[in-house]
Amino acid sequence: DIQLTQSPSSLSASVGDRVTITCRASQTISNDLNWYQQKPGKAPKLLIYAASSLQSGVPSKFSGSGSGTDFILTISSLRPEDFATYYCQQSYSSPYSFGQGTKLEIK
Amino acid sequence: EVQLVQSGAEVKKPGESLNISCKGSGYTFSTSWIGWVRQMPGKGLEWMGIIYPGDSETRYSPSFQGHVTISADKSIRTAYLQWTRLKASDSAMYYCARSRSGLIDYWGQGTVVTVSP
Repeated sequence: DIQLTQSPSSLSASVGDRVTITCRASQTISNDLNWYQQKPGKAPKLLIYAASSLQSGVPSKFSGSGSGTDFILTISSLRPEDFATYYCQQSYSSPYSFGQGTKLEIK
Repeated sequence: EVQLVQSGAEVKKPGESLNISCKGSGYTFSTSWIGWVRQMPGKGLEWMGIIYPGDSETRYSPSFQGHVTISADKSIRTAYLQWTRLKASDSAMYYCARSRSGLIDYWGQGTVVTVSP
């Protein structure tokens, strides 16, 4: 099974900052990597699929990059509503595992 | 509009059985994978498994295989997550989710399961 490791596990930032979250896969997964945002008490929401494709309706402040084993989620110009937990997920092979999550908090 | 509507919160005792459901609408239910994701209190997302309602092909995470059963009834557009013997450690939020080539593009609202003596 493929393991995904996100870093950092938590991150403090200020409104207006740009942040990056990384996700490393235990084996190559091509570009089959997705990113989700989850706010407290809510279901997750798909942000990025296939490593760099923006899901419909998601603002362009979110961007993704990477292939193989190393991937990055970048969020620019942070606003209060962006403070949430972010998860990566691989869709290369079943079981389609998630990373452990990165909690983005306001500094 | 795609919607996944899950059944309500459950409170059960250890050893009891449970069946929670997820009804899909707004898309072709029988030709889209649908699955379940667990989130224990204060913890991350865990992919449990998926089913293809058209032919009932099912894939499980090894972490959940043998402890839960995923099924679907395409005639009523509903997927199920079933336990025959609940444990306290099954207490969690369970999300149903539509899966497209492995990624999840739509989520249900979640069902809280509490297992307590």
